[in-house]
Amino acid sequence: DADVTQTPRNRITKTGKRIMLECSQTKGHDRMYWYRQDPGLGLQLIYYSFDVKDINKGEISDGYSVSRQAQAKFSLSLESAIPNQTALYFCATSDLAKNIQYFGAGTRLSVL
Amino acid sequence: AQTVTQSQPEMSVQEAETVTLSCTYDTSENNYYLFWYKQPPSRQMILVIRQEAYKQQNATENRFSVNFQKAAKSFSLKISDSQLGDTAMYFCAFMTRGANSKLTFGKGITLSVRP
Repeated sequence: DADVTQTPRNRITKTGKRIMLECSQTKGHDRMYWYRQDPGLGLQLIYYSFDVKDINKGEISDGYSVSRQAQAKFSLSLESAIPNQTALYFCATSDLAKNIQYFGAGTRLSVL
Repeated sequence: AQTVTQSQPEMSVQEAETVTLSCTYDTSENNYYLFWYKQPPSRQMILVIRQEAYKQQNATENRFSVNFQKAAKSFSLKISDSQLGDTAMYFCAFMTRGANSKLTFGKGITLSVRP
C-alpha cells in the first residue's frame, strides 16, 4: 500500500461545484502539503500544515481551503470550482529529520 | 525569496549514453538542501537525489550524480548509462533549513531516452 494516498485519482466537475480532495498518510509525519502542478509551471504550494493545529497559506491559496482532521489526514477543498483550477494536485508529507518530502500519486482535476 | 531556474525545457539522449540536466538557483541563505525529483508518465513524483549545501562532496545514487557548485549556485544532474525508464520530467527543487522550510520547484525538464 502507498504511504501517501490521494483520492480520487481523477475527477471531473462543473464550474461552481464544491469539491474535496483527500490525502492520508501512514508515514507518521507531522508535516503535510498541498501542491498544484500546471504544464510548464512546476509545482506551486497551495497550503501546508506542520501539525494538526497549524495551517499556513502557500503561494497560491486563493480559491482553496484545507482541513487537517488528524495527523494522518489533510484535505483540500475548492468551495466553488472554476475552469482555471483545472490542474494536477499533489499531497506530500515531510520527514523533518531528513527534510525530504514524499508525494502521493496525484489527483487530476478537470473543471468544465 | 528563493528561485529555481531550469532553462532547458526538454532534452533527448540515446539509450546507454550520459546526459546532464542543468539547474541554477538564487538564495541568500547559506544552509539549504537541493533535490532532483523525477516524474514519469505515471505522474508519481519520485525523489532521485538529495544534496546538503554544507557538504562539499557531490551526492550520488547509482547511475545518478550531481555537480554541486555552491558559489555559482548551480546544481546539475548527470544520468549515466541512460535507460528507457529514465524517460520522465525532472524537477530541481530547493529547501532552506529550519523549522519553516518549504520546497521551491523549478519548472521542470522533459527528458526522452531514445532506443
